[in-house]
Amino acid sequence: QQPVQSPQAVILREGEDAVINCSSSKALYSVHWYRQKHGEAPVFLMILLKGGEQKGHEKISASFNEKKQQSSLYLTASQLSYSGTYFCGTEKDTDKLIFGTGTRLQVFP
Amino acid sequence: NAGVTQTPKFQVLKTGQSMTLQCAQDMNHEYMSWYRQDPGMGLRLIHYSVGAGITDQGEVPNGYNVSRSTTEDFPLRLLSAAPSQTSVYFCASSYYRTPGNTIYFGEGSWLTVV
Repeated sequence: QQPVQSPQAVILREGEDAVINCSSSKALYSVHWYRQKHGEAPVFLMILLKGGEQKGHEKISASFNEKKQQSSLYLTASQLSYSGTYFCGTEKDTDKLIFGTGTRLQVFP
Repeated sequence: NAGVTQTPKFQVLKTGQSMTLQCAQDMNHEYMSWYRQDPGMGLRLIHYSVGAGITDQGEVPNGYNVSRSTTEDFPLRLLSAAPSQTSVYFCASSYYRTPGNTIYFGEGSWLTVV
């Protein structure tokens, strides 16, 4: 069962912040976050391995709430280069990484 | 530094034809997988393999066949192509099976079935 991402789309001006949420109906082992530019392959951002974990990558960070079975990706002071589609991937079984339907982010000058 | 290599990049098939999408990785990764990507559907797992000789089904396996005779290669076969299989296909690999290992994606293969 695919995790659910919200919102489906976000439009920002440069410098604004955004939050993308990812939730699952099943218990999670870990959460992956990827970004995909149009016509390209998804690119790894970060993995959160356990509940309560938070990670940061420049101005992009994420948290993982194991009890609520959800993760959030935080984009701070967005840049034009942040535009793309963001996917969360979740693991319930150790061999399968299942992705959500994606959140399209557009950043304008 | 090849990483994950997919061929062909673009392919047009007629309904009923069969074909194989090739995937090779040079990172000595045990885990390999195939995803398809359709508008509004995200990335959906077709088949995966945790090592040579071992394959298993993902979310949407029907109409596809895989084998893993070597660590490096993981071809995806379309047995009898249907228009519903028009999609972008991504091969991916990781050092070991998940959880917690970064998945590396190939460049994608654009397939159109007419």
